[in-house]
Amino acid sequence: EIVMTQSPGTLSVSPGERATLSCSASQSVSTNLAWYQQMPGRAPRLLIYAASTRAAGVPARFSGSGSGTEFTLTISGLQSEDIAHYYCQQYNKWPRTFGQGTKVEIK
Amino acid sequence: QVQLVQSGAAVREPGASVRISCKTSPSTFSVDAISWLRQAPGQGLEWLGWVSNYNGNINNVERLEGRIIMTTDTSTNTAYLELKNLRSDDTAIYFCAGDSSSTLNWFDPWGQGTLVIVSS
Repeated sequence: EIVMTQSPGTLSVSPGERATLSCSASQSVSTNLAWYQQMPGRAPRLLIYAASTRAAGVPARFSGSGSGTEFTLTISGLQSEDIAHYYCQQYNKWPRTFGQGTKVEIK
Repeated sequence: QVQLVQSGAAVREPGASVRISCKTSPSTFSVDAISWLRQAPGQGLEWLGWVSNYNGNINNVERLEGRIIMTTDTSTNTAYLELKNLRSDDTAIYFCAGDSSSTLNWFDPWGQGTLVIVSS
């Protein structure tokens, strides 16, 4: 199966600053990659699909980029409500797999 | 907007079974397929399996083969996950999520989650 690796494990960012999260795949997944946000005690929420397309209702400060094996989720201007775990997921091959997550916290 | 509403928490002893439901709301909406995922305490997300709402086709991870049953009742827009012969490492929050019946896809929307505790 395709192994997804996220870095860093924890990211501390000051309010209003940019947060950059990375996700790498053990083999190419083309642009078949999604990002999810999971707030404490809540179900995951789809943020990005097809590597760079924002899901409905997702604020413009969230953006995704990358293709092949390297991907980035950027939060431009971190807000307090963005405190959460973020997961990447590939859907290029069975079984679909997730990264282990990046925790974003306020510095 | 489609919402997925799951059944409540369950506590089971090792060796028992658990059945979780996932209902589409409002009932006039539907999703093509339902995937089931879980999240062990403090851990990441694991995809377990998928069931098509069109033809009942299923696909699941090999390590759960023989223990997992996924079904769908199109008359009530409800999907079910049954996990048999429970072990302590099955303790997790179980999520259902909307999926595609024809292509590999992302998961959207998600149910609120069902906590399953396996303990003697």
